[in-house]
Amino acid sequence: QSALTQPASVSGSPGQSITISCAGTRYDIGGHQHVSWYQQHPGKAPKVIIFDVSNRPSGVSNRFSGSKSGNTASLTISGLQPEDEADYYCCSYRTSGAYLFASGTRVTVL
Amino acid sequence: QVQLVQSGAEVRKPGASVKVSCKASGDTFTNKHIHWVRQAPGQGLEWLGIIRASDSSTLYAQNFQGRVTVTRDASTNTAYMELTSLRSDDTAAYYCVTEVPDTYYFEYWGLGTLVTVSS
Repeated sequence: QSALTQPASVSGSPGQSITISCAGTRYDIGGHQHVSWYQQHPGKAPKVIIFDVSNRPSGVSNRFSGSKSGNTASLTISGLQPEDEADYYCCSYRTSGAYLFASGTRVTVL
Repeated sequence: QVQLVQSGAEVRKPGASVKVSCKASGDTFTNKHIHWVRQAPGQGLEWLGIIRASDSSTLYAQNFQGRVTVTRDASTNTAYMELTSLRSDDTAAYYCVTEVPDTYYFEYWGLGTLVTVSS
């Protein structure tokens, strides 16, 4: 099974908004609402920031938002801050019951 | 809040097996699914499999079918992941992760166990 597709890197200046796309198929992203996003700082374990396409866990900044259209999910970070510099991964539940991660996007704050 | 304490780093030769443990503290994870996710150095995340809370049924990623086994021991609040026939490209940090059943996302992560496969 192929991984989901994300851009390798995205950058922005403080205060700007950036969007990371995550492309899949009708067997994963396009098949249901169970898409989640994870933030990972260097040397740390990943942390969930979005679940079920657009829901934020308690304690996650509302500067993070998610959406989906067809087979593609997106993560938008508004008001970019230095601490947002990290790797971001989308993950989708598959109709087979398995889970699939994307390759990850390195976000750089200029 | 669940805290997941994983076993220490391991070094294995190609062809060997490794078994990584993950013990919950702060809360039981009897009622949570346990997933295993790995990350090779400098690479992305890869899902290996799940052991479900209700009946300890398992499902594994196609790439690892026949090589990975995930188990859990409710009496000690510990989950295990065993990977056999190790290759050099199995060198990675292996994370245990919890999921509240039917939420379909990874809630709490362990700190990871580095497994190095080298001759």
